[in-house]
Amino acid sequence: NAGVTQTPKFQVLKTGQSMTLQCAQDMNHEYMSWYRQDPGMGLRLIHYSVGAGITDQGEVPNGYNVSRSTTEDFPLRLLSAAPSQTSVYFCASSSNGEAGKQFFGPGTRLTVL
Amino acid sequence: LAKTTQPISMDSYEGQEVNITCSHNNIATNDYITWYQQFPSQGPRFIIQGYKTKVTNEVASLFIPADRKSSTLSLPRVSLSDTAVYYCLVGDKGTDKLIFGTGTRLQVFP
Repeated sequence: NAGVTQTPKFQVLKTGQSMTLQCAQDMNHEYMSWYRQDPGMGLRLIHYSVGAGITDQGEVPNGYNVSRSTTEDFPLRLLSAAPSQTSVYFCASSSNGEAGKQFFGPGTRLTVL
Repeated sequence: LAKTTQPISMDSYEGQEVNITCSHNNIATNDYITWYQQFPSQGPRFIIQGYKTKVTNEVASLFIPADRKSSTLSLPRVSLSDTAVYYCLVGDKGTDKLIFGTGTRLQVFP
């Protein structure tokens, strides 16, 4: 099992550009989530999903979109990048019965100029 | 969202026991309390999870009082490799979302 994979590892964007951060898991987990972690800070929930076709907003959803067309994939879209979105983005997954016991990907480090 | 708070930092020496608390006054009734460890440039890693009373595994213990409004992660006999940031994760009663605590940076000295 590869676990939770994220691509790319690093990305630099200009203000106003859009992009999609990819996340995939091969553990057949229903629950998937996206967090952002600003330098020296904690993790904040952006969006989450409890299964294919079902998504919901977290603490800081503005500026981001998600979709969940399959169990395995949960991409995060930045609509129009802003410098305030410079952060490390982590994707995580777990089974619905153990949503708190999440497995995290290695992260994507995003810089917006 | 109610804030889930932890001490910002703690220092310890190798071989000592370390107890890190998390205050979660608005925890969801049916959710577990989970603790994670995070090293620089890595994603958080699961340590331990519990619902009430005490849970112990090979690396840590978790103490949860009856009202579940706080929890304490106990690391026995820490080593230098335990230097990391520790987070609690709980469900918020108002929103039913899983929210991380503010994190505690543990520094272990030789």
